[in-house]
Amino acid sequence: DSGVTQTPKHLITATGQRVTLRCSPRSGDLSVYWYQQSLDQGLQFLIQYYNGEERAKGNILERFSAQQFPDLHSELNLSSLELGDSALYFCASSPRGSGYNEQFFGPGTRLTVL
Amino acid sequence: KNEVEQSPQNLTAQEGEFITINCSYSVGISALHWLQQHPGGGIVSLFMLSSGKKKHGRLIATINIQEKHSSLHITASHPRDSAVYICAASKGGAQKLVFGQGTRLTINP
Repeated sequence: DSGVTQTPKHLITATGQRVTLRCSPRSGDLSVYWYQQSLDQGLQFLIQYYNGEERAKGNILERFSAQQFPDLHSELNLSSLELGDSALYFCASSPRGSGYNEQFFGPGTRLTVL
Repeated sequence: KNEVEQSPQNLTAQEGEFITINCSYSVGISALHWLQQHPGGGIVSLFMLSSGKKKHGRLIATINIQEKHSSLHITASHPRDSAVYICAASKGGAQKLVFGQGTRLTINP
């Protein structure tokens, strides 16, 4: 158990809908990363937050957004869902926002868009 | 060409064999990570290294910064080692990870 929690574990929804994925980092970790794992693209970095502020952006679609709250949990919002958004979404946390520090992964949320 | 390349993509071996998975990267990195993903999907961080060698139980990870190459070795492999092994390079100030394609390892009893 990494100490990172993600909810829900599974999510099934329809095209055009909007969903919210939630991540709680390990106690004391200030940084949260979001990653997408799809069959055709593999694992890709989406976005990073550090202590409430957006720190880095990767291949995140405009239909997706994220935020980190004062209690450091983070939410990833996916809207106008398409079939191709079906994937495993992981968050990871680390103590710092930069430098040499390990990332600890949550169990993931499996999103299926029908 | 991907920034992080792994080989082989698939590896099947018998229990007890010595396993090597290779990872090459083409960009400057601050650290190289080895991750393990079991069929259930969860990802576990095995190693993070920026130089030399690290060992944890039967697992050994090495990195050669000059050659931009890292290897993950498993000694006395066991069926429970069957999983996908992923190398990832952390780069940039934010230390975002860039992932290899993964190596699917199957250890037969």
